Parts: sequence; C-alpha cells; structure tokens
Amino acid sequence: DGGITQSPKYLFRKEGQNVTLSCEQNLNHDAMYWYRQDPGQGLRLIYYSQIVNDFQKGDIAEGYSVSREKKESFPLTVTSAQKNPTAFYLCASSHGAGGGAFFGQGTRLTVV
Amino acid sequence: GNSVTQMEGPVTLSEEAFLTINCTYTATGYPSLFWYVQYPGEGLQLLLKATKADDKGSNKGFEATYRKETTSFHLEKGSVQVSDSAVYFCALGRVSRNYGGSQGNLIFGKGTKLSVKP
Repeated sequence: DGGITQSPKYLFRKEGQNVTLSCEQNLNHDAMYWYRQDPGQGLRLIYYSQIVNDFQKGDIAEGYSVSREKKESFPLTVTSAQKNPTAFYLCASSHGAGGGAFFGQGTRLTVV
Repeated sequence: GNSVTQMEGPVTLSEEAFLTINCTYTATGYPSLFWYVQYPGEGLQLLLKATKADDKGSNKGFEATYRKETTSFHLEKGSVQVSDSAVYFCALGRVSRNYGGSQGNLIFGKGTKLSVKP
C-alpha cells in the first residue's frame, strides 16, 4: 500500500543529544514536509522540500536540520540547539497538482 | 500575514446532532482551504478541500463552502456519529516562494476537539 512511514512511533532521548526522525514515502510525491504539534496547538511547519537536494526553512526551523538525498526520504534531525524538543512530529508529502497533503502517523519525541 | 482562526473547543454533541465548526482566515490572494481530521494518537487525514471561491468540499457527510466575502470555511455535518469524535483542523495553503502553489505548505488553526456521545 502507498503511504508515508514514520519511525519510530515513540522516541526517548536525553537532553543534549541529537536525534534523527525517519520519514519515507512511496507515493512518488515530489514535495515533503515536517510539522511539529504541541498539545492544544495547531501544526507548525519546520522544513519543507519541493524537490530532491533542495529544502526550505519553515516557520520554526531553529534547532532542526534536514536532508533530501532521495525522493522517497526526508529525515529530520532534532539538534541539541532546539530548546523545547519534546513534541509530536508529523511528516507529510504532496504532489503539485492538488489533492492536499498526506500525513504519516507521527513520532512522539520525549527528551528527558 | 496569513492566518487561520477556528472556534475553540471542546465541542460535545449527542449522536445525530448537527455540527458546525467555524473557521475564518486572513490571506493575500485566494489560497486553497482544507479541513483535516486527527484521531487520537494518529496523524492527520485530509477530510475535504476547496480551491476557489464558492467551491464546496464534501466527504463522508461533512461539507464546507469557500466564502470569499466572509473569508470563512465553516465545517458542517447534518448528523454526527460517535465515530466522528476527533480533533478537526482548518488550514490554508501557502504559495511557495520558489515553486508556486503547494498543497502541503499549510497554515493550521489550533484545532477543535469534537466529542460525540451516544
């Protein structure tokens, strides 16, 4: 089945450690996105990529980094510079001709 | 700048009641508008969308009409079910600086939690 796979579903890390969240899609979509969701809040855009080897900062990029070496993959690294990393992270993809964005099941990151 | 405001919840209804969740937006131009639904512990699912003024999006008994004159995109359903209990997000699509329109570069409202009691 086509879709977006995020792994792991739950992730625990110690403060000060970098951590990388995985996102893979087999929908053949050009564009991919990372969002952050905090309790009682909407989603906020971290980074997005419209094409392989290119990506753009979203609204809250500080403390995060991404890469887009393959069309199918868009990993997100939460660095130690991110002051409040504990959150629910959602990856999404879309194609340019419409249809909205497709979301993965999310990764809940807890930093202790 | 662009923004989305939706009614705060939680909203609690009895089964078969009528549902309205209000959503208004501020934007330059005419963005695409979306409603997404999130079930507990899961990602978001696209519920419906509208791409231009007066368009009506509909899916699974839910409807929303793109009203340019009132900058609104209210979500409605005539008869809710217990299985509709979820968080609903209104969103608008931003235009990418480099690549034009994008269906995934979105500005979200804060979400409205709906609980339907049997």
